[in-house]
Amino acid sequence: AQSVTQLGSHVSVSEGALVLLRCNYSSSVPPYLFWYVQYPNQGLQLLLKYTSAATLVKGINGFEAEFKKSETSFHLTKPSAHMSDAAEYFCAVNQGGKLIFGQGTELSVKP
Amino acid sequence: NAGVMQNPRHLVRRRGQEARLRCSPMKGHSHVYWYRQLPEEGLKFMVYLQKENIIDESGMPKERFSAEFPKEGPSILRIQQVVRGDSAAYFCASSPQDEQYFGPGTRLTVT
Repeated sequence: AQSVTQLGSHVSVSEGALVLLRCNYSSSVPPYLFWYVQYPNQGLQLLLKYTSAATLVKGINGFEAEFKKSETSFHLTKPSAHMSDAAEYFCAVNQGGKLIFGQGTELSVKP
Repeated sequence: NAGVMQNPRHLVRRRGQEARLRCSPMKGHSHVYWYRQLPEEGLKFMVYLQKENIIDESGMPKERFSAEFPKEGPSILRIQQVVRGDSAAYFCASSPQDEQYFGPGTRLTVT
């Protein structure tokens, strides 16, 4: 069975600082990986996806993620945090159609 | 193209009543997924449907829960004889292929 682990349930950064949210996956086959963002009381919005085309994936709102097979990681980064980035972020892997989610990382951005 | 629609957005039921949650997928999407988000827990897969077929219901509780996606009309997640532990946010997603697009969710409160 495939799974994802997100390291750190809460991450706090200052506005303008680098954002790094960690995700490690476990999969016996080449995975399809996703990052989603959830704002309070809303649904999930797709940030980006990895489907084996390119290891560096660019998403919306300035986010990107790099697939590293040797480290089984798919960390999410953004060079400069904005106040509007404060939300919960979920890493997910596709297993037979369904998404298996990590526990989520809540990102706080301090002014 | 309208996004995934869910209604109602908020639903309050007394213990023992039935809850019906509706999901209209994005136009052209024939795959529908239901997920549940419990307080302090991550998102958990419940069921995957295509028109008139249940593809994967491995995440559905064995009793009281059922789902359908008829040939015409929205997908329905039905919870019979609700209990307080059913209080959660229920999200529907639809997919054309790899990525899933989520609706705003239905927040069920059981009193």
